[in-house]
Amino acid sequence: KNQVEQSPQSLIILEGKNCTLQCNYTVSPFSNLRWYKQDTGRGPVSLTIMTFSENTKSNGRYTATLDADTKQSSLHITASQLSDSASYICVVSETGANNLFFGTGTRLTVIP
Amino acid sequence: GAGVSQSPSNKVTEKGKDVELRCDPISGHTALYWYRQSLGQGLEFLIYFQGNSAPDKSGLPSDRFSAERTGGSVSTLTIQRTQQEDSAVYLCASSLGRTSVYEQYFGPGTRLTVT
Repeated sequence: KNQVEQSPQSLIILEGKNCTLQCNYTVSPFSNLRWYKQDTGRGPVSLTIMTFSENTKSNGRYTATLDADTKQSSLHITASQLSDSASYICVVSETGANNLFFGTGTRLTVIP
Repeated sequence: GAGVSQSPSNKVTEKGKDVELRCDPISGHTALYWYRQSLGQGLEFLIYFQGNSAPDKSGLPSDRFSAERTGGSVSTLTIQRTQQEDSAVYLCASSLGRTSVYEQYFGPGTRLTVT
């Protein structure tokens, strides 16, 4: 069964600190993995997308890693800002499929 | 338009009523998706339209749910005889093609509450 699991469910950090969010998946055959940021009341917005051959990808203060052998990914946020408060969703695509498999997300709260 | 738009942003309806949710995709995007996001759950795929091909309806939870896409652009998701478990945020997304290859752009969603 294709699944995407994320941890932790929620996280509270101080402004300026770093954090790492985890994603494990069982989707096969694997096509790509994306991290989305979803602000409250908004649709998800893509942060990074990685294919099988990519180990890391950065987008500003966001850095995603992928280990396709262990089927794990992480999203590292550096020097957090209050505006980083959102849900971060890991999404995995199956080769040739029409739909995506979504994790339930990590709710990040950055406090001053 | 600048992005995917959805209407209404919020909808409250009584159990048993029918509702229609609308999605305007980004101009030129041939692929359109509907998802459902229930509280504490990941996004759940509902239906996928790609150009003039027959839609992939494999995610629709029951025959009370249906969707149309007219002229390859605007789409409506219809829920008949709504039930309380239909309460969720319904998200629409569009892309240039199959989402395993192309980026998806999401609308802000319609929050449906069935009382």
